[in-house]
Amino acid sequence: ILNVEQSPQSLHVQEGDSTNFTCSFPSSNFYALHWYRWETAKSPEALFVMTLNGDEKKKGRISATLNTKEGYSYLYIKGSQPEDSATYLCAFITAAGNKLTFGGGTRVLVKP
Amino acid sequence: EAGVTQSPTHLIKTRGQQATLRCSPISGHTSVYWYQQALGLGLQFLLWYDEGEERNRGNFPPRFSGRQFPNYSSELNVNALELEDSALYLCASTPGHIGNEQFFGPGTRLTVL
Repeated sequence: ILNVEQSPQSLHVQEGDSTNFTCSFPSSNFYALHWYRWETAKSPEALFVMTLNGDEKKKGRISATLNTKEGYSYLYIKGSQPEDSATYLCAFITAAGNKLTFGGGTRVLVKP
Repeated sequence: EAGVTQSPTHLIKTRGQQATLRCSPISGHTSVYWYQQALGLGLQFLLWYDEGEERNRGNFPPRFSGRQFPNYSSELNVNALELEDSALYLCASTPGHIGNEQFFGPGTRLTVL
């Protein structure tokens, strides 16, 4: 069983503040790491697909970094807005390419 | 472009019955994945179908099964329903390799009474 951990489980952020949270995954047999945003009453949507050690990806105010050697990825939200409130999921894909394992998610609530 | 669709939206069954959930992937996508999100738990990988074949399954009992049709749509069947099968079942599709981003459907909420 693959261990994909996300921390913290939840966090409250004041509107305008920046925040970040972590996804930890096995450092061996790495193929790819995905980040998804899951808003209430909607379907999860892909944010980033990361494959290379040292990858940094950005979409608007959200960015992510990847360290495959130590097995972690950070997601950053700059200047949080209420519409950033969602659960953020990471998913680890093994080198065998036949299994995708999700972390438990970080639930972000941005307070106006 | 139409997204991933799932039916039904909600399904209520009693213990011991069978449930059938359906998923239609995005046009051109050949892979379909099924996930379960039970109350208080994260997304658990159930099944992966690609080109009509089952490629992998998660740690679920054999009473969870499915198939993929020639048009790449998919069915998830859950036999001998148990109370703990109550969950949101999500389907996702990708254009082939599992490393590609997944496009999710709206889900089917299964309630077992």
